[in-house]
Amino acid sequence: TQLLEQSPQFLSIQEGENLTVYCNSSSVFSSLQWYRQEPGEGPVLLVTVVTGGEVKKLKRLTFQFGDARKDSSLHITAAQPGDTGLYLCAGYDGGAQKLVFGQGTRLTINP
Amino acid sequence: DSGVTQTPKHLITATGQRVTLRCSPRSGDLSVYWYQQSLDQGLQFLIQYYNGEERAKGNILERFSAQQFPDLHSELNLSSLELGDSALYFCASSVGSGTREQYFGPGTRLTVT
Repeated sequence: TQLLEQSPQFLSIQEGENLTVYCNSSSVFSSLQWYRQEPGEGPVLLVTVVTGGEVKKLKRLTFQFGDARKDSSLHITAAQPGDTGLYLCAGYDGGAQKLVFGQGTRLTINP
Repeated sequence: DSGVTQTPKHLITATGQRVTLRCSPRSGDLSVYWYQQSLDQGLQFLIQYYNGEERAKGNILERFSAQQFPDLHSELNLSSLELGDSALYFCASSVGSGTREQYFGPGTRLTVT
């Protein structure tokens, strides 16, 4: 069974600070997605990374896929209160044709 | 708005009862996935249907079953409910069978008392 571990589980920082969230596994994934979920709502897809070493930017968010396709990171620059939410990474298990989700990082940005 | 709809939004029922959750995928999507999200277990994949046929199975209990109809909407049936079944149930859809990117509905919050 492929597992994804996210760290930290909880993060509370002040507006304007930078932060990085990590998603790690001992298994190789054919792709990895990042989702953001707000209370009472479903996860919303932010990005998909496919190639080892790939970097994608979405405004103040930078996503990186590890060279070996076993890990990923999400870096937020100058965090804003609107970034508050649960961030989930999900790896695609091509053999089982299913997404494997990490436990999530609950991020709180204080004004 | 992802384009995936789920009903009902909230459901409160007693132990031992049976409930049905409904999902309509995005227009054009053929795959429907069901997930359970609880505080202690995170987001767990239950089952996938593609164009009416079961395609992949995850951690779905025998008390739970699902189906996808010709119009592509899907239903998740939960029976002999237990307190531990209380959770958020999400439906997601994607274009193909092995599509990596899934689009989630707003979820159904099930409370078993």
